[in-house]
Amino acid sequence: GAVVSQHPSWVICKSGTSVKIECRSLDFQATTMFWYRQFPKQSLMLMATSNEGSKATYEQGVEKDKFLINHASLTLSTLTVTSAHPEDSSFYICSARDVAGVANEKLFFGSGTQLSVL
Amino acid sequence: EDKVVQSPLSLVVHEGDTVTLNCSYEVTNFRSLLWYKQEKKAPTFLFMLTSSGIEKKSGRLSSILDKKELFSILNITATQTGDSAVYLCAVCNAGNNRKLIWGLGTSLAVNP
Repeated sequence: GAVVSQHPSWVICKSGTSVKIECRSLDFQATTMFWYRQFPKQSLMLMATSNEGSKATYEQGVEKDKFLINHASLTLSTLTVTSAHPEDSSFYICSARDVAGVANEKLFFGSGTQLSVL
Repeated sequence: EDKVVQSPLSLVVHEGDTVTLNCSYEVTNFRSLLWYKQEKKAPTFLFMLTSSGIEKKSGRLSSILDKKELFSILNITATQTGDSAVYLCAVCNAGNNRKLIWGLGTSLAVNP
């Protein structure tokens, strides 16, 4: 099956610093990757759609200057949480579609990043 | 507005029981419905359903879709403690970059 690698799996940082999270598709190409946020005991909340070679599409209410997304290649997307604050503490998960797959709405998920901002 | 509603939100059963999880939806331009299992971290794919009445089966898990009544069920027979997880249902809107609309999930706890 397709593998998505997400790094780091957890990070603790001071308020005001920036944190970068990487999402890589290891054995397939992904023109589209999705970044989700998940609070405890809640479902996945889509933050943005990352498109290779173009600007990301952000969901309503998500600050694009706060959550910078770069999708520079068919296998890598990054999410940078800029000037992190405690309210940004959350579980962030990326997912990707296999561009070559017939049923390409099926998402493969990274293992997630638990961000704690002190 | 597109929405996906799962029920129940939580469920506690004993090992060996059979459970049925429900997912109803209202989505413009329906393409498919997907079930995922989330334990501690990443959701793992279970099933994708596109046609009504055709059961998908994998071991003790099975799922079926009713596109007329706009719902799907996920059945787990002879439950085991390893089935404890949150089960997420998502529906794909064929337009809008094939975005998935997610339900809140059903939290299943299987006690020994």
